[in-house]
Amino acid sequence: DGGITQSPKYLFRKEGQNVTLSCEQNLNHDAMYWYRQDPGQGLRLIYYSQIVNDFQKGDIAEGYSVSREKKESFPLTVTSAQKNPTAFYLCASSIGAGLNTEAFFGQGTRLTVV
Amino acid sequence: SQQGEEDPQALSIQEGENATMNCSYKTSINNLQWYRQNSGRGLVHLILIRSNEREKHSGRLRVTLDTSKKSSSLLITASRAADTASYFCATAPTSGTYKYIFGTGTRLKVLA
Repeated sequence: DGGITQSPKYLFRKEGQNVTLSCEQNLNHDAMYWYRQDPGQGLRLIYYSQIVNDFQKGDIAEGYSVSREKKESFPLTVTSAQKNPTAFYLCASSIGAGLNTEAFFGQGTRLTVV
Repeated sequence: SQQGEEDPQALSIQEGENATMNCSYKTSINNLQWYRQNSGRGLVHLILIRSNEREKHSGRLRVTLDTSKKSSSLLITASRAADTASYFCATAPTSGTYKYIFGTGTRLKVLA
């Protein structure tokens, strides 16, 4: 099945720990994105990547880091510098920097700080 | 923030009624898209309307776009309980690097 897979579905982090959220796609998409969603809120862009080995900061990149070493993978690390990391994290991909393409989303990772 | 706004924030209707939700955005766009999110899940793409289009239909969905007012509306006709979800608009701006900017969403509840 083609699609975009996020893991784990639920993640618990202790204060001061770094954690990495996985996002893998087999859609052969060039572009990938990470969004954060807080309860009852919209999506805010953390990082995005339009091509392998390149990525750009979104609106709320502080406290997060990413890598794009492979086309299929775009992992997100939530560092200890992120003051309020408890949220729902969504990964998405799209064909590329085309002007009229849709985004495909994973099922999300719910991160909780304990 | 470039984030758009949607209204109403929440909408509750009876099954069979129509549901209308609105989206306003701030920048010039190439297209506007609507997505649906069931509780605790990822988003699913519903429909895309290009900046040179004014109206588009897909099944029970009707989308309009007014670029002069920087606004769009999504109409769901003959709603069903299964339409209960949050609905988000997303814009692809003309300036800068290609990325999707999402609105704040409308939570729709359809009562059976």
